[in-house]
Amino acid sequence: DAEITQSPRHKITETGRQVTLACHQTWNHNNMFWYRQDLGHGLRLIHYSYGVQDTNKGEVSDGYSVSRSNTEDLPLTLESAASSQTSVYFCASSESPGTGGEQYFGPGTRLTVT
Amino acid sequence: AQSVTQLGSHVSVSEGALVLLRCNYSSSVPPYLFWYVQYPNQGLQLLLKYTSAATLVKGINGFEAEFKKSETSFHLTKPSAHMSDAAEYFCAVSDRGGGFKTIFGAGTRLFVKA
Repeated sequence: DAEITQSPRHKITETGRQVTLACHQTWNHNNMFWYRQDLGHGLRLIHYSYGVQDTNKGEVSDGYSVSRSNTEDLPLTLESAASSQTSVYFCASSESPGTGGEQYFGPGTRLTVT
Repeated sequence: AQSVTQLGSHVSVSEGALVLLRCNYSSSVPPYLFWYVQYPNQGLQLLLKYTSAATLVKGINGFEAEFKKSETSFHLTKPSAHMSDAAEYFCAVSDRGGGFKTIFGAGTRLFVKA
C-alpha cells in the first residue's frame, strides 16, 4: 500500500545544530507540504512543493529550508536549530486535481531543541 | 488572504448528544473547505470536503457540514456523539483545492463524556 513516512519520529537536538527531517511518500504525488503543529496555532505551513525542483515558502519559513530532487522526498532542514522550533512536524502530500482533493499526512516528527 | 477561525478550542459533549464544531472562513475567491480529524499521536485525515457542489456535505463516521456563504461558515455536526469521536478537529480552506496550499484553523479538541 502507498504511504507517507517521516523519520525520525522523535529527535532531541541542541541549539545551533543543523537538523534534517525526512519525508518520503510512495503515492507518486506531485505536491508535498511541511507543517508545524503547536498548541493554540493548529498547523502552520512551512514550505511546499508542487513538483521536482519547485519549492515555495509558507507562512513560517524563516529558519527552514527544503529541496525537491525527486518526486518521493521532501527533506526539511533547520539550518541552526532554535528553542522556538521545538514542535511537532508533519509532512503531507497530494495529487494535483482540478478541484477538491485532499492531503495525506505522515505520522509526524516530534522535535525538541534544548 | 485566506483565514480560518474555529470557535472554541475545547468542546465537551455527552455520549449520544449532538456535536457542533464551529468554523468561519475568509476568502477572496470561492473557497474549497475541509474538515480534518487528528487522533492522538497520529497525522491528520480527511473527514469531508466542500468543493462547490452540494452545500450540505456528508463525510465519514456520520459527520456532515453545511457551507453557508452568507455567514462565511462551515460548521461540522454529528447527531449523536460516540466515545470514539474524541479527537482534535481542524477546519481548513484553500483557494485552489485541497491538493494545493491550504490554511488550517487552530483546531478544536472534542471531549466525549460517558
